[in-house]
Amino acid sequence: GIQVEQSPPDLILQEGANSTLRCNFSDSVNNLQWFHQNPWGQLINLFYIPSGTKQNGRLSATTVATERYSLLYISSSQTTDSGVYFCAFGTGNQFYFGTGTSLTVIP
Amino acid sequence: EAGVAQSPRYKIIEKRQSVAFWCNPISGHATLYWYQQILGQGPKLLIQFQNNGVVDDSQLPKDRFSAERLKGVDSTLKIQPAKLEDSAVYLCASSYDIVYGYTFGSGTRLTVV
Repeated sequence: GIQVEQSPPDLILQEGANSTLRCNFSDSVNNLQWFHQNPWGQLINLFYIPSGTKQNGRLSATTVATERYSLLYISSSQTTDSGVYFCAFGTGNQFYFGTGTSLTVIP
Repeated sequence: EAGVAQSPRYKIIEKRQSVAFWCNPISGHATLYWYQQILGQGPKLLIQFQNNGVVDDSQLPKDRFSAERLKGVDSTLKIQPAKLEDSAVYLCASSYDIVYGYTFGSGTRLTVV
């Protein structure tokens, strides 16, 4: 099956710093989402981004499907950004999750 | 709009017992998913429904897990009998169209002792 690798596995940031999270996948996918799982376990959809670039406030994402990677940018990080960020890839309507990047933003 | 509702929030059972989880998706969402998330891992898809039909259950351990979505709305996931390795959070998600992404419920945390 398709393998996905997320990096870095863990990240600690000072509040206000910027960061880039990466998701590499081993084969072509025609769907990709980014999720944030907050410290209470709630999963929130951030972006549906099979290709191209999207922005939502301080967050933006870019997927280069031909090169099999996607990036999530977090600018001016806040403590509320802490949690685990997952990329989820798939075909059709089915998505399979990566292992996540655990982000801690310290004040 | 109301979110995806799941119950119970927590459940502790002994191994070999049975347990059931309930999910009510967002109104109008035809697609419903059950995921299992073991501590420290990403969610793993167990089963996907489109209305009341099963689209994919290839990763559902069918010897002990079952799921149904009667009338294409609510869904239940059952484990019988439970094993220690079933301890996890069971997440339900629904979507209207995948371009709008998934909406997840808060999950049910199962502990098997």
